[in-house]
Amino acid sequence: DAGVIQSPRHEVTEMGQEVTLRCKPISGHDYLFWYRQTMMRGLELLIYFNNNVPIDDSGMPEDRFSAKMPNASFSTLKIQPSEPRDSAVYFCASSPQGVNTEAFFGQGTRLTVV
Amino acid sequence: AQKITQTQPGMFVQEKEAVTLDCTYDTSDPSYGLFWYKQPSSGEMIFLIYQGSYDQQNATEGRYSLNFQKARKSANLVISASQLGDSAMYFCAMRGPENYGGSQGNLIFGKGTKLSVKP
Repeated sequence: DAGVIQSPRHEVTEMGQEVTLRCKPISGHDYLFWYRQTMMRGLELLIYFNNNVPIDDSGMPEDRFSAKMPNASFSTLKIQPSEPRDSAVYFCASSPQGVNTEAFFGQGTRLTVV
Repeated sequence: AQKITQTQPGMFVQEKEAVTLDCTYDTSDPSYGLFWYKQPSSGEMIFLIYQGSYDQQNATEGRYSLNFQKARKSANLVISASQLGDSAMYFCAMRGPENYGGSQGNLIFGKGTKLSVKP
């Protein structure tokens, strides 16, 4: 398996524009997590899915953020409209079921909003 | 609510010496998993070691070991014989159970410790 695949790797956009980040989890994994990493806040859990169903989105910072998982092999994180404070590295991770299973991370998307 | 705390923003260690990175956690779930990840400057997240809440023995993986003290809710990472390539950010993480409690299988991280290995 190719691992968790995120696209794009880098995104530069202007304030106010819509941004869509994409993630393809590892085949067979039941969980998908979206994280945001900044120097100030570290790795924040934004939202996670179990079998394509959102379980907890309490980490989503504002209504400008939304996430979907239409099927087991694809998820998106959308920011509309984007703001400079959204600049961060966004990670997607997937894992099998079980409290003893580690999550496998994608390479991340570095988002810069100017 | 679950919480992971890493109190050391940065640490220095001399090459070939051992170093301990601290991690404390808080949860009301009886079952949980504890993980350590390494993030080098290139940015990828690398899984290092896992400890289950019911495990009687401390986990070990090569030069990595986990000093698990359940009563104190601590899960410190010990790196023996440090190498220059160990210089990186290290994150402690906790995973909650899926079928009961409020965590529902989530995975939360501490803020990390930046380890620098000196030659």
